[in-house]
Amino acid sequence: DTAVSQTPKYLVTQMGNDKSIKCEQNLGHDTMYWYKQDSKKFLKIMFSYNNKELIINETVPNRFSPKSPDKAHLNLHINSLELGDSAVYFCASSQEGRPDTDTQYFGPGTRLTVL
Amino acid sequence: GESVGLHLPTLSVQEGDNSIINCAYSNSASDYFIWYKQESGKGPQFIIDIRSNMDKRQGQRVTVLLNKTVKHLSLQIAATQPGDSAVYFCAENAGGTSYGKLTFGQGTILTVHP
Repeated sequence: DTAVSQTPKYLVTQMGNDKSIKCEQNLGHDTMYWYKQDSKKFLKIMFSYNNKELIINETVPNRFSPKSPDKAHLNLHINSLELGDSAVYFCASSQEGRPDTDTQYFGPGTRLTVL
Repeated sequence: GESVGLHLPTLSVQEGDNSIINCAYSNSASDYFIWYKQESGKGPQFIIDIRSNMDKRQGQRVTVLLNKTVKHLSLQIAATQPGDSAVYFCAENAGGTSYGKLTFGQGTILTVHP
């Protein structure tokens, strides 16, 4: 009965590889997000989708491409991985994405290590 | 630029004490603030929120205070327990066109000693 789930939990890969992280939410929410948390615990939003439509697209290298096949899923594909991509990536979801009321529920995170 | 920051990166308390975690923000347009708790190896978990038309909101053992004059937010935890040990983040949402976009502060590490 996990609300927001991510796979894999850990991902170790070589520079230059392409990898994907999957996220699913069973809360019936319309909006999903991807965040990056660096080694100093700083959390920064990368993308958000509302009903499969891209809403927020922060300054993120175009090697990162989110894909939302349906409103319950938001996957993150990363091309040509670099050392600086090493971080914990969190998926989150909220009911509507309204800025003044919605609580965002976070997944358990995916720790990506690029060697 | 717009930012949310914390005064104290670490806080160490004894079990049973009250804890106060502070947060400063700079975006006067922010109208919604949230506190999150992140335990080791887990994602952030919602604790309590407050809108800009309020200055205080209470939950179970937690109280959030908002001072818009000085752009300051605090989280008070009563009778702190070892299970409260975690990293605490404040986050703000500027509303308007910042659709669902939360800006997180750096985080405060709270350690509760039994």
